[in-house]
Amino acid sequence: DADVTQTPRNRITKTGKRIMLECSQTKGHDRMYWYRQDPGLGLRLIYYSFDVKDINKGEISDGYSVSRQAQAKFSLSLESAIPNQTALYFCATSRTTNTGELFFGEGSRLTVL
Amino acid sequence: AQSVTQLDSQVPVFEEAPVELRCNYSSSVSVYLFWYVQYPNQGLQLLLKYLSGSTLVKGINGFEAEFNKSQTSFHLRKPSVHISDTAEYFCAVSEGNFNKFYFGSGTKLNVKP
Repeated sequence: DADVTQTPRNRITKTGKRIMLECSQTKGHDRMYWYRQDPGLGLRLIYYSFDVKDINKGEISDGYSVSRQAQAKFSLSLESAIPNQTALYFCATSRTTNTGELFFGEGSRLTVL
Repeated sequence: AQSVTQLDSQVPVFEEAPVELRCNYSSSVSVYLFWYVQYPNQGLQLLLKYLSGSTLVKGINGFEAEFNKSQTSFHLRKPSVHISDTAEYFCAVSEGNFNKFYFGSGTKLNVKP
């Protein structure tokens, strides 16, 4: 089983719908991140969380919200999806006392029509 | 914020040939540098990292990278590539306490037989 699990792996939805992407991890890491990947743009940070009570905005947080339900769970929500939110979304984790390595899930591909 | 530049969006190369993937970053302060690899339909995984010490860093699968502070570069090299190296490669930078990671736009390495 994957250490960082994302659900759903693929989702097609319509403009205006609410969408939630979920991430769970069994690595025991405190830090969790949501990134968005677009062709030619690399990965951009949406939100990050260093523990259950600590949530921070990243570079492109507009139109997104997150919830850290437990140390192991970090969800990303699109309250009203729009077509330019079509992208590949990655969840990642790292240790608080880390040497810099991020551990990624396999990604959630979201298409907004 | 950091800026990470990967000038080559695609690099085609024949099997057993050498390859260099270029990465430049913007900051003049102390940074930590990483290369991640993304195989098709997978998340990213760490290839190698520079934290301190020797400027030549060796990673998995025969890859290595050299940190050049004066040129703010961290180019990735492999002396002889294999078909299985076909993937997208991302350079990433983190400052100080690993709170945030900034990714380049990625380089697609296409190894041809």
